[in-house]
Amino acid sequence: GAVVSQHPSWVICKSGTSVKIECRSLDFQATTMFWYRQFPKQSLMLMATSNEGSKATYEQGVEKDKFLINHASLTLSTLTVTSAHPEDSSFYICSAKEGPYEQYFGPGTRLTVT
Amino acid sequence: GENVEQHPSTLSVQEGDSAVIKCTYSDSASNYFPWYKQELGKRPQLIIDIRSNVGEKKDQRIAVTLNKTAKHFSLHITETQPEDSAVYFCAPPICSARQLTFGSGTQLTVLP
Repeated sequence: GAVVSQHPSWVICKSGTSVKIECRSLDFQATTMFWYRQFPKQSLMLMATSNEGSKATYEQGVEKDKFLINHASLTLSTLTVTSAHPEDSSFYICSAKEGPYEQYFGPGTRLTVT
Repeated sequence: GENVEQHPSTLSVQEGDSAVIKCTYSDSASNYFPWYKQELGKRPQLIIDIRSNVGEKKDQRIAVTLNKTAKHFSLHITETQPEDSAVYFCAPPICSARQLTFGSGTQLTVLP
């Protein structure tokens, strides 16, 4: 099946710093990618939909200025957590669509803000 | 917005028994119904999906049934094995958009 990579797989940052997470579709082109956040023992919560060449669509309650999304090409989307704080510590997962239905997930990035 | 309910939240079964997880959705226009399995600390993996034009689909020990009238679809795992232990999510899409809405998840534990 389609392969989606994510980098880094884990990162520890000090409060106030910014963190960039990359999501790449390795063997297919993805016009749409999605960013999710998952807290321990909870479900995946959609943060935003990333569209190549246009602005991302954010879900209600997600701060656009704090979570910057850039979909620079058909194979790359980035999520930047600006001025990270401990409450931003979470598991961030991207996914990319191949075709109208199936979504393939990246391995996730575990962010810890100290 | 789309309302997705998944039951039960936790399920423990003895190895070899069957497990059933149910997902109820509200968007009558939904036409694609996937189930994902997520092991601890790993990404969700699509394990089975069904389109709205069929009522049941099987893949070895896993099956999904769909009742469009009642707006629910269920995951059936037969002859459960310890490696089936994981969190399972249903994710019916919102047809007015292109993203998936995940259910709250079911922690399945298969006891040896």
